[in-house]
Amino acid sequence: ETGVTQSPTHLIKTRGQQVTLRCSSQSGHNTVSWYQQALGQGPQFIFQYYREEENGRGNFPPRFSGLQFPNYSSELNVNALELDDSALYLCASSLDGDSSYNEQFFGPGTRLTVL
Amino acid sequence: GNSVTQMEGPVTLSEEAFLTINCTYTATGYPSLFWYVQYPGEGLQLLLKATKADDKGSNKGFEATYRKETTSFHLEKGSVQVSDSAVYFCALDNYGQNFVFGPGTRLSVLP
Repeated sequence: ETGVTQSPTHLIKTRGQQVTLRCSSQSGHNTVSWYQQALGQGPQFIFQYYREEENGRGNFPPRFSGLQFPNYSSELNVNALELDDSALYLCASSLDGDSSYNEQFFGPGTRLTVL
Repeated sequence: GNSVTQMEGPVTLSEEAFLTINCTYTATGYPSLFWYVQYPGEGLQLLLKATKADDKGSNKGFEATYRKETTSFHLEKGSVQVSDSAVYFCALDNYGQNFVFGPGTRLSVLP
């Protein structure tokens, strides 16, 4: 059983550009959540996908969007990048939609820098 | 809305000292509570959790008790080691759809 992987590790973009971050969940995990962790702060919940449908969203604008695929991979897309989008982006997978009872397994993150 | 407050760090202790990291929360209903740890250069790992009032979560010598009357979930360890140096995050989950993390507390343990 492999862990959660994310790509790329680091990314530099300029303001106004678009970015796609990728996550590969643990095999069999049908739920993936994405988080934004600004430097020195705790992760903030962006959204969760369960069986390829959005299943909850935090306080993030619509330019943050996602996709989940049947092969346990997922994407986070951010349009019209702003300087404040610079952060570590984490994905976490779990066995089922209820993360209260099913442990979330976190990937190492993608460090996004917006110039 | 839901929120988590943690004691500010950094916390610096000598090896074998007693550790307490305070965590209080605000939430409607009965959230599940968690402690996550982030070791240097590594991803977040679940340390322990409690899903209902008066539950005690424990792992690797760490403990935390879900206190609904004080809305708290303080992390404790009787004797810390240098290898416990990390950032600790308290978190809650309300109805499985929206995880809320605290700001994190950095712990440094000196030999």
